[in-house]
Amino acid sequence: DTAVSQTPKYLVTQMGNDKSIKCEQNLGHDTMYWYKQDSKKFLKIMFSYNNKELIINETVPNRFSPKSPDKAHLNLHINSLELGDSAVYFCASSLTPPGSPLHFGNGTRLTVT
Amino acid sequence: AQSVTQLDSQVPVFEEAPVELRCNYSSSVSVYLFWYVQYPNQGLQLLLKYLSGSTLVESINGFEAEFNKSQTSFHLRKPSVHISDTAEYFCAVSEAGRRALTFGSGTRLQVQP
Repeated sequence: DTAVSQTPKYLVTQMGNDKSIKCEQNLGHDTMYWYKQDSKKFLKIMFSYNNKELIINETVPNRFSPKSPDKAHLNLHINSLELGDSAVYFCASSLTPPGSPLHFGNGTRLTVT
Repeated sequence: AQSVTQLDSQVPVFEEAPVELRCNYSSSVSVYLFWYVQYPNQGLQLLLKYLSGSTLVESINGFEAEFNKSQTSFHLRKPSVHISDTAEYFCAVSEAGRRALTFGSGTRLQVQP
């Protein structure tokens, strides 16, 4: 299936731990994103990569570090997890031209206890 | 900076009734406009988009939205809703030259029998 897939789907961990979320797309897109959706469903852009180059880096704590080994993959590593990091994290991808719609993965629900 | 306002956080409606979900945006430059739908525990799916041309755009499942530049609005409408339309609907905008989308806070459409 052509899609944006992210793993794991659920992640429950304790404060202070380090965790990673992986994302892969097989749509041939060259731009990938991480969005955070909070408990009120509000979606906020965190990072965007175009052809492995970081192009958007919103105001996000430096405990969050994205890595793009190639243009089909964008991973998110989070150090020293805090309670406020609990949210659903969505990976998305698109083609380069402005106005290209984003295709989203099904999300990773992160719960920090 | 661009922003999106969805005034209605919840819209309850009876099956087969018409519905309008409101979206207003602010931007100082040309924009592209989108509506996404999110079903429970899933990622966002593109419903329809306005890039240029005709200000009325339609989706395959009966939704339509009209771009109104003077009122900076992109309201979503459907003449007759189904139970299966129950979901969260997000309006989004991207400015020319910027790939990432800015989302509104979402509107929960609850269709009742």
